[in-house]
Amino acid sequence: DTGVSQDPRHKITKRGQNVTFRCDPISEHNRLYWYRQTLGQGPEFLTYFQNEAQLEKSRLLSDRFSAERPKGSFSTLEIQRTEQGDSAMYLCASSNIIAGSEQFFGPGTRLTVL
Amino acid sequence: KNEVEQSPQNLTAQEGEFITINCSYSVGISALHWLQQHPGGGIVSLFMLSSGKKKHGRLIATINIQEKHSSLHITASHPRDSAVYICAVWNGNKLVFGAGTILRVKS
Repeated sequence: DTGVSQDPRHKITKRGQNVTFRCDPISEHNRLYWYRQTLGQGPEFLTYFQNEAQLEKSRLLSDRFSAERPKGSFSTLEIQRTEQGDSAMYLCASSNIIAGSEQFFGPGTRLTVL
Repeated sequence: KNEVEQSPQNLTAQEGEFITINCSYSVGISALHWLQQHPGGGIVSLFMLSSGKKKHGRLIATINIQEKHSSLHITASHPRDSAVYICAVWNGNKLVFGAGTILRVKS
């Protein structure tokens, strides 16, 4: 399977704990996006990378959130000191800049903060 | 006001019915996407439009750039079409999503 993969698929944690999610994009895709989706809503943009450079971050991305893409391949999204409001589906998508706006989505990581 | 508005929020149809989902946006865009999301989260791209109309099987998508409006039509709907349909616009760097339309097709 050469699609976008995310790990873990589900994460349950207690308030105050740190969590880290991983996204492996389609190889050769130079753009990688992170989105957050809460129940009944469409995805909301968090941040995106072009190769290893983080080019834009949403105001939604508080200082408890950090994302990296150290070698321009996989990416990690870390949430420190989780809060119940962080409970959501975290989606990753990748694209090839040449292809424009078409993005390929991973299955998501569902986070539940107790 | 959200930049991308979809209607209706929920839609229940009988198998075989013709379905229309609408999307209006308030920002300048270079492309509009229709996406399908099944329970469990996976999002699949259905269409990418910058003008006119596209058709794929029983699905048709149209866009009117002047009116900033797009529609997704499903002909001869089937229970397997039940999903969330999401409209998203590309503003040059990222997608901005509507809240989605929950479609349920009953047999």
